[in-house]
Amino acid sequence: ETGVTQSPTHLIKTRGQQVTLRCSSQSGHNTVSWYQQALGQGPQFIFQYYREEENGRGNFPPRFSGLQFPNYSSELNVNALELDDSALYLCASSSKQGPTEAFFGQGTRLTVV
Amino acid sequence: AQRVTQPEKLLSVFKGAPVELKCNYSYSGSPELFWYVQYSRQRLQLLLRHISRESIKGFTADLNKGETSFHLKKPFAQEEDSAMYYCALGFIGGSQGNLIFGKGTKLSVKP
Repeated sequence: ETGVTQSPTHLIKTRGQQVTLRCSSQSGHNTVSWYQQALGQGPQFIFQYYREEENGRGNFPPRFSGLQFPNYSSELNVNALELDDSALYLCASSSKQGPTEAFFGQGTRLTVV
Repeated sequence: AQRVTQPEKLLSVFKGAPVELKCNYSYSGSPELFWYVQYSRQRLQLLLRHISRESIKGFTADLNKGETSFHLKKPFAQEEDSAMYYCALGFIGGSQGNLIFGKGTKLSVKP
């Protein structure tokens, strides 16, 4: 059973650029959620995908968008990067929608300069 | 609005001492509460959830709906318990997704 993997592990981007982060969900999981974790804060929910459809969204602007593929892997895209987007981005997969145990990846550390 | 509060940023205890990490939540519906733990250089992982009523690594947590709390307890702390602990609230629907996390408490167990 493979766990949740994210790529890349670290990334540096310039303000105004666009970035794509990737996540492979745990085997057998059809639900993927993305979280942003700023320094000293808990993870904050961005959105969730279930069977390729967005299934819930947190308080993030539209420039944060995502995709889920037929194999349940997922992408997080952020356009027009701002300095405040610098954070650890976590992907979590689960076996169903709704409140249930989520399995987290190791995260992608994004730095916007 | 749904919210999770962990009042202590840092909790420092000696090995063998009891430990209690506090968590209070705000939610009008029927909550599902979780404790996640992150050891140094490891990913965030589930420690326990109130539904399962398990004791994991000696930790227990009881959901108190009257006090809207889900405090994490362990009678005798071990050095390997040193980690970052996050309380999380799970619910269905709305735009909040399925987990709302507190800001976390860093537990440091000294020898």
